[in-house]
Amino acid sequence: ETGVTQSPTHLIKTRGQQVTLRCSSQSGHNTVSWYQQALGQGPQFIFQYYREEENGRGNFPPRFSGLQFPNYSSELNVNALELDDSALYLCASRTDGAYEQYFGPGTRLTVT
Amino acid sequence: DAKTTQPPSMDCAEGRAANLPCNHSTISGNEYVYWYRQIHSQGPQYIIHGLKNNETNEMASLIITEDRKSSTLILPHATLRDTAVYYCIVRPLGSARQLTFGSGTQLTVLP
Repeated sequence: ETGVTQSPTHLIKTRGQQVTLRCSSQSGHNTVSWYQQALGQGPQFIFQYYREEENGRGNFPPRFSGLQFPNYSSELNVNALELDDSALYLCASRTDGAYEQYFGPGTRLTVT
Repeated sequence: DAKTTQPPSMDCAEGRAANLPCNHSTISGNEYVYWYRQIHSQGPQYIIHGLKNNETNEMASLIITEDRKSSTLILPHATLRDTAVYYCIVRPLGSARQLTFGSGTQLTVLP
């Protein structure tokens, strides 16, 4: 148990729809990152939030956006879903400067 | 972050030591070696990290060569629950940057 939870566990959406995934971090973890993991591949960095501001972004288009809230929860929003967005979405949290990131169990998104 | 190279898969007998290699020949002086693992359908889990000295914790040992161009993660007594994908990652300590995952090594512990 890492103390990081994600919801929902599984989700099925249709191409073109929008989706919101949620993550609840450990208390005190002011940095949260989101990763996308396609089947058979390692996780790929989407973006990172520190104290409610985005401070790093991977090679993902603007239709991937996020929010971080003062209560250590965060959201990943994806607009105009494409079939290739089907993946496991992971959030990871840590305190600023910490060497260890704590990952949640992920949300499995299927786009049909 | 320096690039890492790992074998795609390895097998290990239950109860034996599992030795997982990682090459990171372009590692720079301020970069640490981190190991994470991911059990099927779960999020990655931190195992251990080190700079140049060998490190040990309750999960594993990390052996880094003197030139720091390669390392080995050792699970001293592998169990079936250690079956997972193991990722070797190189990055500065406490870096605000993200973890860059490669393809990792699929370790299968056999009964």
